[in-house]
Amino acid sequence: QITLKESGPTLVKPTQTLTLTCTFSGFSLRTSGVGVGWIRQPPGKALEWLALIYWDDDERYSPSLTSRLTITKDTSKNQVVLTMTNMDPVDTATYYCARRLSNLFDSWGQGTLVTVSS
Amino acid sequence: QSALTQPRSVSGSPGQSVTISCTGTSSDVGGYNYVSWYQQHPGKAPKLMIYDVTKWPSGVPDRFSGSKSGNTASLTISGLQAEDEADYYCCSYAGNYIYVFGTGTKVTVL
Repeated sequence: QITLKESGPTLVKPTQTLTLTCTFSGFSLRTSGVGVGWIRQPPGKALEWLALIYWDDDERYSPSLTSRLTITKDTSKNQVVLTMTNMDPVDTATYYCARRLSNLFDSWGQGTLVTVSS
Repeated sequence: QSALTQPRSVSGSPGQSVTISCTGTSSDVGGYNYVSWYQQHPGKAPKLMIYDVTKWPSGVPDRFSGSKSGNTASLTISGLQAEDEADYYCCSYAGNYIYVFGTGTKVTVL
């Protein structure tokens, strides 16, 4: 059974850096073709793809957010970490991590709501 | 890279068919056969419904079908059921190992 779970702060202040962790089980990030990505959804709005890290350590970012994002993985712990700098209230959203397989996202975490407010 | 364009809402009566469009560019939808569709019920995580434009993951009923023409992909729900009421999002590979989602469509079962 494949599971993913996001963890991190529920509240951050403007200008702070957000660090989110995705802890997964049921698959390995050592397997060729596998990736873990982050997708966010502001309240009442659409999904937005943020970043992906692949089994071969390749990192990809949304062009509109690339300067603020960093994605890393710890294969031994089955974790993927996303950091987003200079948080703003418009970054308030539910943040999801998901497994990427062959150009699809087949398993998703439950999501974690992050509110940006002073 | 802009979000793919979807209609804000579509509706239909039980048993009817509805189609949701997803319009991109030749750099995403039109350039690759890697469009996927996700269903999201309120307060829940998205669920994969269609991938590679036309394929079903295990467990998804074949009432859901996908297609593509040029820069526009479509999701059709046939034999609409009450549980199909949800938000639907398309997603396309956009080259260079990055992805883009659609603006989302709310499906209402009348």
